[in-house]
Amino acid sequence: RKEVEQDPGPFNVPEGATVAFNCTYSNSASQSFFWYRQDCRKEPKLLMSVYSSGNEDGRFTAQLNRASQYISLLIRDSKLSDSATYLCVVNRVGNTPLVFGKGTRLSVIA
Amino acid sequence: EPEVTQTPSHQVTQMGQEVILRCVPISNHLYFYWYRQILGQKVEFLVSFYNNEISEKSEIFDDQFSVERPDGSNFTLKIRSTKLEDSAMYFCASSVRSSYISYEQYFGPGTRLTVT
Repeated sequence: RKEVEQDPGPFNVPEGATVAFNCTYSNSASQSFFWYRQDCRKEPKLLMSVYSSGNEDGRFTAQLNRASQYISLLIRDSKLSDSATYLCVVNRVGNTPLVFGKGTRLSVIA
Repeated sequence: EPEVTQTPSHQVTQMGQEVILRCVPISNHLYFYWYRQILGQKVEFLVSFYNNEISEKSEIFDDQFSVERPDGSNFTLKIRSTKLEDSAMYFCASSVRSSYISYEQYFGPGTRLTVT
């Protein structure tokens, strides 16, 4: 079983749509959870950390369910600039390696 | 805003040749990492480095790979004898030190390595 699994995508949505990405992780020792964004042939950039209570940053909402080992990201009012690959990332506590999912590609269409 | 820098942006080399990829981490960071991403695949961890020694490494990081911090600013990844399957984007990352919570790992723009 893959350590981090994501929706395969791609997701093609019109501007203004709401889109949700799902992710599951297999290592119950995982303590920290993140969503990164990666543009084509660029480095991953942190979009947001994911907290147990759920958290929101503008149009982005992340949820974590530790019992189900499930993480989600909701993007509201999609913009053209949201087009990218969204990476679900986990790690153990502290300065341990990040474990990446393969990513889900989002294309927002005008 | 401080950033991680990497050189070169693109390296083309012949199979069997040695390559050195260079990174300058963010100046007050103490943990350094190398990751790689084969085209169309996920980002994979190679090695982490702290206090002038390897703190963790993956199965990918075999005897062909080595890392070094030759001075106070550079962090290098050496591949001794490159293989075709080493062709990938190599990302350097750095973070502050923490035992209890996970701080963001800041990624450099990457070096695209092409082995022919």
